[in-house]
Amino acid sequence: SYELTQPPSVSVSPGQAARITCSGDALPKQSAHWYQQKPGQAPVLVIYKDSERPSGIPERFSGSTSGTTVTLTISGVQAEDEADYYCQSADSSGTWVFGGGTKLTVL
Amino acid sequence: EVQLVQSGAEMKKPGESLKISCKGSGYSFTNYWIGWVRQMPGKGLEWMGIIYPGDSDTRYSPSFQGQVTISADKSISTAYLQWSSLKASDTAMFYCASAYSNYFHYWGQGTLVTVSS
Repeated sequence: SYELTQPPSVSVSPGQAARITCSGDALPKQSAHWYQQKPGQAPVLVIYKDSERPSGIPERFSGSTSGTTVTLTISGVQAEDEADYYCQSADSSGTWVFGGGTKLTVL
Repeated sequence: EVQLVQSGAEMKKPGESLKISCKGSGYSFTNYWIGWVRQMPGKGLEWMGIIYPGDSDTRYSPSFQGQVTISADKSISTAYLQWSSLKASDTAMFYCASAYSNYFHYWGQGTLVTVSS
């Protein structure tokens, strides 16, 4: 089955940039999306179609893609950004898949 | 305002059946896919499947095919996730979410299902 691979954890100091990667063989052909989930809350879409930002999401959230890897970048990380982040895409059969998630810790 | 409101927490015994719901409002319910996502305790998100309420076209993750049934009643803008025989391993939080293109734009608040003897 198709898999998306994320690092389990990323740590960053406030004000620094956090980069969370997501790797998958189909990513050159399928767009990727990112969700933020804080403890006890439902996920929230923060990036869609690789690099588009929904309304209401701060400009410090951005997405990029290069080959089989997509990257979520949070510029100028704030304490409130501490959360789990999940990438999501689809395989060639139309089955959607989530990455395993990355816990972002703001030191 | 788009809202997805899910039914309340459930406590069930192994072998029992269950149907949880997700009611959409603030948008054209029949024109957008609705999906279900499982999150087991302390674990990540898992895509279970999606349904197009307009014609009930349904797609399942291979991991959940045959294990659950996804349905929708467009007349009351509600999607459902059901089990015919629950197992302890079905204990999890379940989220519904409306899908735009191939991503989830709006999410419900989640329904906690606990299966224990």
